[in-house]
Amino acid sequence: DTGVSQDPRHKITKRGQNVTFRCDPISEHNRLYWYRQTLGQGPEFLTYFQNEAQLEKSRLLSDRFSAERPKGSFSTLEIQRTEQGDSAMYLCASSSTSGSQDTQYFGPGTRLTVL
Amino acid sequence: GQSLEQPSEVTAVEGAIVQINCTYQTSGFYGLSWYQQHDGGAPTFLSYNALDGLEETGRFSSFLSRSDSYGYLLLQELQMKDSASYFCAVRASDTGRRALTFGSGTRLQVQP
Repeated sequence: DTGVSQDPRHKITKRGQNVTFRCDPISEHNRLYWYRQTLGQGPEFLTYFQNEAQLEKSRLLSDRFSAERPKGSFSTLEIQRTEQGDSAMYLCASSSTSGSQDTQYFGPGTRLTVL
Repeated sequence: GQSLEQPSEVTAVEGAIVQINCTYQTSGFYGLSWYQQHDGGAPTFLSYNALDGLEETGRFSSFLSRSDSYGYLLLQELQMKDSASYFCAVRASDTGRRALTFGSGTRLQVQP
């Protein structure tokens, strides 16, 4: 069990640029979640995949955000035309269908800074 | 929508017991979870309550009262390494059945 990994760990970009983050969940986990966390706040849910199907999206998720999980393994989160308000830690988590959906294993996150 | 309330900060000394409370407002409640997050680290699952009562895992216990929409995390025999932020989180049907909604976190500082 190598845990959830995310790449890159840090990303600095200029406003208006597009960025893409990758998440590799724990290998046997078919549930994958993306969250965003800002300083002093708890993680905020963005979207959820079960296998390759995107089953839930937050109503707060701007249409500049898109996520994929094409083969039901790794996932990517893309932000288009980044804004300074997108600066945050982007966390990926995974869980197993044999376990509780409330037991989520988080990756180390990708810290995005938009200048 | 959902809302969770928990204290922003708690301070305690090594060896002591501390209780972190969480109240929530939601519809279609499934359960209450607790996560620990050290500075610069990822959230780590601690416990989960779906039914009323106390769940114990080593030095940590978690309690839930569904009728009061209230829960707490109890940390016993505090150690310096317990200094971290603690988040309560709920899963409920009014924001999707799979998403966790987190509180703003309680920052616990353990002093020698």
